[in-house]
Amino acid sequence: GAVVSQHPSWVICKSGTSVKIECRSLDFQATTMFWYRQFPKQSLMLMATSNEGSKATYEQGVEKDKFLINHASLTLSTLTVTSAHPEDSSFYICSARDPASGHSYNEQFFGPGTRLTVL
Amino acid sequence: KNQVEQSPQSLIILEGKNCTLQCNYTVSPFSNLRWYKQDTGRGPVSLTIMTFSENTKSNGRYTATLDADTKQSSLHITASQLSDSASYICVVSGGNKLVFGAGTILRVKS
Repeated sequence: GAVVSQHPSWVICKSGTSVKIECRSLDFQATTMFWYRQFPKQSLMLMATSNEGSKATYEQGVEKDKFLINHASLTLSTLTVTSAHPEDSSFYICSARDPASGHSYNEQFFGPGTRLTVL
Repeated sequence: KNQVEQSPQSLIILEGKNCTLQCNYTVSPFSNLRWYKQDTGRGPVSLTIMTFSENTKSNGRYTATLDADTKQSSLHITASQLSDSASYICVVSGGNKLVFGAGTILRVKS
């Protein structure tokens, strides 16, 4: 149980285009989802926290107009990188949590990640 | 400042050998400490989670320890296998946020 999927697993796009990444909780309802970015040989950095049905909370330094997050249902959150540039190339990872699910320690379950390359 | 520091940054060991990874933290309030394994190009997978009152927890060949007084944790890997090659990340939960360490890159050689 507690499986989180991401789609696509990798994507290559041209500079200036927008890319949408999906994060799904497959076997539980995720009231809260998190989006992280990871650069090579660095750890995960939290970009934003989204709660189902409400606006996402962005971390300092993360442009909300560039990284659009939608959490319209209890099993799906999307991250759209708008007008992508080469410096946006990174590994994007989502995680999901449901405090009411009974999972111990209020645990976050991570997706497999999406590798974005902007040419 | 909430920080999690891991050592060493990287480690190479021979297959079958044991190793220990270290994690020091200055996160407050403290809720729990987690060790994750992250294979290259994949998301982190949970190995162990420990609360303040837990000193040790095992998951197969992985054994984590926690000293909440000194704010230190270790992850011991026994009889390493080639598939153990990965990044091991120490994560401390404080409040609603997770504080990530930079990870230790482990390479197991045959």
